[in-house]
Amino acid sequence: SQQGEEDPQALSIQEGENATMNCSYKTSINNLQWYRQNSGRGLVHLILIRSNEREKHSGRLRVTLDTSKKSSSLLITASRAADTASYFCAPSPVTGANSKLTFGKGITLSVRP
Amino acid sequence: EPEVTQTPSHQVTQMGQEVILRCVPISNHLYFYWYRQILGQKVEFLVSFYNNEISEKSEIFDDQFSVERPDGSNFTLKIRSTKLEDSAMYFCALLAVWEGRSYNGRETQYFGPGTRLLVL
Repeated sequence: SQQGEEDPQALSIQEGENATMNCSYKTSINNLQWYRQNSGRGLVHLILIRSNEREKHSGRLRVTLDTSKKSSSLLITASRAADTASYFCAPSPVTGANSKLTFGKGITLSVRP
Repeated sequence: EPEVTQTPSHQVTQMGQEVILRCVPISNHLYFYWYRQILGQKVEFLVSFYNNEISEKSEIFDDQFSVERPDGSNFTLKIRSTKLEDSAMYFCALLAVWEGRSYNGRETQYFGPGTRLLVL
């Protein structure tokens, strides 16, 4: 397994604005997943993007993947106060799709009403 | 998204006591995982379980920890003699859901809501 490094560590925006969060990783991946964690709660799976995909959408979420740069970004459009949470990326290695996920410190997103 | 419940939601115990944390998947799964998160820190992998045996474990998962699937549905994590530093949120995660004819979702780990363990 490998750890994703999220950037920035913290992000504060106004409701209605877009939030862009970045993730970098080191070795080849099979897919990359983004999770959200509300304070003191469990991890909620947001979206998965495979290594042969460049962009994926799910509602207000847009994920991109650049395997040449080993990076991914998560865009939340028209943010809401309820989007306030920590966000994590989890790259899944090429071998062992069933292996553990390794989480970084995440991005703390605050959306001001 | 597959529904996963964990019991109890909170547990307070005395140092040295045994605790058992339970994960209850609604449907059949192939792979099970336990993670923990100490307050203010990263989510850390503990152990993965497949075909009724441990497939991978971390350095954290020492002899004080054990996992089993006693009745074919619940998935448990036991800490034999708790220490103060075991205080954390413990999450189970599941992979691969049986959907009648095949297993799907084999790439996504779905997490339970967690058990908050406090060791005094």
